[in-house]
Amino acid sequence: DARVTQTPRDKVTEMGQEVTMRCQPILGHNTVFWYRQTMMQGLELLAYFRNRAPLDDSGMPKDRFSAEMPDATLATLKIQPSEPRDSAVYFCASGRDSNTEAFFGQGTRLTVV
Amino acid sequence: AQSVTQLDSQVPVFEEAPVELRCNYSSSVSVYLFWYVQYPNQGLQLLLKYLSGSTLVKGINGFEAEFNKSQTSFHLRKPSVHISDTAEYFCAVSDLRNYGQNFVFGPGTRLSVLP
Repeated sequence: DARVTQTPRDKVTEMGQEVTMRCQPILGHNTVFWYRQTMMQGLELLAYFRNRAPLDDSGMPKDRFSAEMPDATLATLKIQPSEPRDSAVYFCASGRDSNTEAFFGQGTRLTVV
Repeated sequence: AQSVTQLDSQVPVFEEAPVELRCNYSSSVSVYLFWYVQYPNQGLQLLLKYLSGSTLVKGINGFEAEFNKSQTSFHLRKPSVHISDTAEYFCAVSDLRNYGQNFVFGPGTRLSVLP
């Protein structure tokens, strides 16, 4: 059963610490999305990649957030330094070129205290 | 740029009653349309999608949606809901103009099915 895998599922960290979230897209998918979900803002797109190249990261705070795909099986989202306002659930999703569907992971619940 | 509006933030309904969750979108170009469901502490799962062809789309769990181009709507319906349908429902649009364009989601509608 193919699925998008995100680790960790939950992360609690202190303000100022670096946080790394990982995503393993479904094998064969070449598009990867990072979304942030909060009660106030809903689902916000942070970044997306096609064939490992970043196509759009305009939704991501550049001073502290970075997203990469070191290879086709791994996408990472880093926050350095983390702040309490970064507390949210971060979702990774993957898809194919046809753009007809995005498959979501279970999310990483980040709490910055 | 496209946008999605879900006018109802919460919809309570009794079990076995019909339900309609509303979705309107705006876009200057053709789009794909989607409905996703999110159960507590879970990721989003695709319910159904409209790409082209018949404007009435059937999805999983007995849901269906109808694409209305003139009204730029894609409302989700189910004739008889079950307790297990309690969840958050998101409408989303994907722009056909830009290859690889991302999905824009609406704010979500929380469906609560009451016994």
